Amino acid sequence: EAGVAQSPRYKIIEKRQSVAFWCNPISGHATLYWYQQILGQGPKLLIQFQNNGVVDDSQLPKDRFSAERLKGVDSTLKIQPAKLEDSAVYLCASSFSFTTGPPRAFFGQGTRLTVV
Amino acid sequence: DAKTTQPPSMDCAEGRAANLPCNHSTISGNEYVYWYRQIHSQGPQYIIHGLKNNETNEMASLIITEDRKSSTLILPHATLRDTAVYYCIVSLRQAAGNKLTFGGGTRVLVKP
Repeated sequence: EAGVAQSPRYKIIEKRQSVAFWCNPISGHATLYWYQQILGQGPKLLIQFQNNGVVDDSQLPKDRFSAERLKGVDSTLKIQPAKLEDSAVYLCASSFSFTTGPPRAFFGQGTRLTVV
Repeated sequence: DAKTTQPPSMDCAEGRAANLPCNHSTISGNEYVYWYRQIHSQGPQYIIHGLKNNETNEMASLIITEDRKSSTLILPHATLRDTAVYYCIVSLRQAAGNKLTFGGGTRVLVKP
């Protein structure tokens, strides 16, 4: 089966610029996650969608980060304006919901963002 | 979600069993134990999960204590490709999808 697709793989931007990441989850997966992983740390959940609704965005810095999941399929994560501390790998993951399939999440390769 | 505690690192000899401990003393009755691993420069990969009973699949075995306050992931015959960070996560299964909260994990180095 096709995996979770993310693009771009790498991005370098200057601070105060904006950037967007794209994620295409596995077909049929209702749940979509965005994580931020800073070097040497475990992934930190930024936002969780169920179809096109937000389940949890408690750790999303809403003054600069935004995410959407139009039509409950693809998703984009945006940062505007970027700060140096946003340098990290941004991971997208998807899974079936509890009622529709096994509760295992599949992760994409991630987008490595460097803010200079 | 309950918090988990794992040793920060451990070494294992190739071909031997690797036993990775995890403490989750505040786990509630309907929370599952999940294990994921992350190989360098890749996204995390699901390994196994369980509620009360021990579980085994093609990758590993999961042993959960009777009081559910701790668990052990067993890689029966570790290979060099098992070198990775292993994460133990406790999570509710819910209609909106599991909330997967990662800690620091255990960095496992398999040595020849």
